[in-house]
Amino acid sequence: AQSVTQPDIHITVSEGASLELRCNYSYGATPYLFWYVQSPGQGLQLLLKYFSGDTLVQGIKGFEAEFKRSQSSFNLRKPSVHWSDAAEYFCAVGAGGGSQGNLIFGKGTKLSVKP
Amino acid sequence: SQTIHQWPATLVQPVGSPLSLECTVEGTSNPNLYWYRQAAGRGLQLLFYSIGIDQISSEVPQNLSASRPQDRQFILSSKKLLLSDSGFYLCAWRILTGREAFFGQGTRLTVV
Repeated sequence: AQSVTQPDIHITVSEGASLELRCNYSYGATPYLFWYVQSPGQGLQLLLKYFSGDTLVQGIKGFEAEFKRSQSSFNLRKPSVHWSDAAEYFCAVGAGGGSQGNLIFGKGTKLSVKP
Repeated sequence: SQTIHQWPATLVQPVGSPLSLECTVEGTSNPNLYWYRQAAGRGLQLLFYSIGIDQISSEVPQNLSASRPQDRQFILSSKKLLLSDSGFYLCAWRILTGREAFFGQGTRLTVV
């Protein structure tokens, strides 16, 4: 069965510092991978996605993620964090297309940004 | 463009009372629809998904039920709420041939 692990529950970084959020997945075939962001009390917004091709994908708000098949990882990065990036981040793996394709989510990483 | 509406935004209900949360999608046809529940520190748990009208699949046994009376309407219900039903409920949709899901703004349910 598919699963997603986000090892870091809470990360604090200083504004302007670089950021890397870790995500490891378990999936038998080529996965569809996603990063979502959630502000407090809000729904989830899609940051970026990986289906195939170039393993470095660019997303919104200056985020990028790199798919590494050998490590079963899809880590999220940002070179310089802004205070508005404080939120909770969720990694997800898709079960494929078709009639189901239900997304399986990690438990999330809460990001705090110090001024 | 497609939009998803979910209401109410917040709800406080007594134990034993009924529940009805509604979600509608605009700008697309025959979407897959999903209900997730989010509890602190536990990520998102898929509760129900639907691939069409009156076609509902339940992922976990629980006190809740879901219905899809129209193509773009998805309802989460309970006859008698439990304290453990408290949480943040999220509706989501995806197109049949697509892969990412798009989420509503969520409903914060507190059962007292």
